[in-house]
Amino acid sequence: QVQLQESGPGLLTPSETLSLTCNVSGGPISTYTWSWIRQPAGKGLEWIGRIFASGTTNYNPSLKSRVTVSVDTSKNQFSLKLTSVTAADTAVYYCARGTSGSLYYFDSWGQGTLVTVSS
Amino acid sequence: SYELTQPPSMSVSPGQTASITCSGDKLGNKYAYWYQQKPGQSPVLVIYQDSMRPSGIPERFSGSNSGNTATLTISGTQAMDEADYYCQAWDTNTYVFGGGTKVTVL
Repeated sequence: QVQLQESGPGLLTPSETLSLTCNVSGGPISTYTWSWIRQPAGKGLEWIGRIFASGTTNYNPSLKSRVTVSVDTSKNQFSLKLTSVTAADTAVYYCARGTSGSLYYFDSWGQGTLVTVSS
Repeated sequence: SYELTQPPSMSVSPGQTASITCSGDKLGNKYAYWYQQKPGQSPVLVIYQDSMRPSGIPERFSGSNSGNTATLTISGTQAMDEADYYCQAWDTNTYVFGGGTKVTVL
């Protein structure tokens, strides 16, 4: 049973860079895709970006200019960087495992980590 | 960019059927997926590939997808089904979520 755990700072000031890491346990990182998804309080889910173990990435066009997702297969973890944050980036950030192949969904999620952007 | 539209909320009586819709341009030509999210918890997949149930999801959850609308149906709704439900699709290398539907069981 795969488990995902997010970690990183919970409080940022505007203009800083958000950096989160997702540790994957219970299975190799090589077979699936790995995504970041966020959810502002009381609002819906927004996909941020994904990465394959090979390093290939896809990003949400609305965030692409500020987002980098990277992977470290030796540590079985992947990471998110979001630059120039504002209060609008305040949200619970989830990491999630996505399927590979012709189906595109998330079958495992981390518990989420709250990131607050405030001066 | 591709958009999925869901009703913001609905209510259903215990034991009755809840039907949650998700609309998008030619959505029937793609696969639809559904997630359940209870307060303070991470989303859980309840339907994939339009109508398939993951292991452990009760049979009362079913799905369909045709034309511009995908539907998640909860038959014999129980109090434990009260939650937010999100549809999701894949379009042009992007995962897209609907805005979510809050289902109240009362």
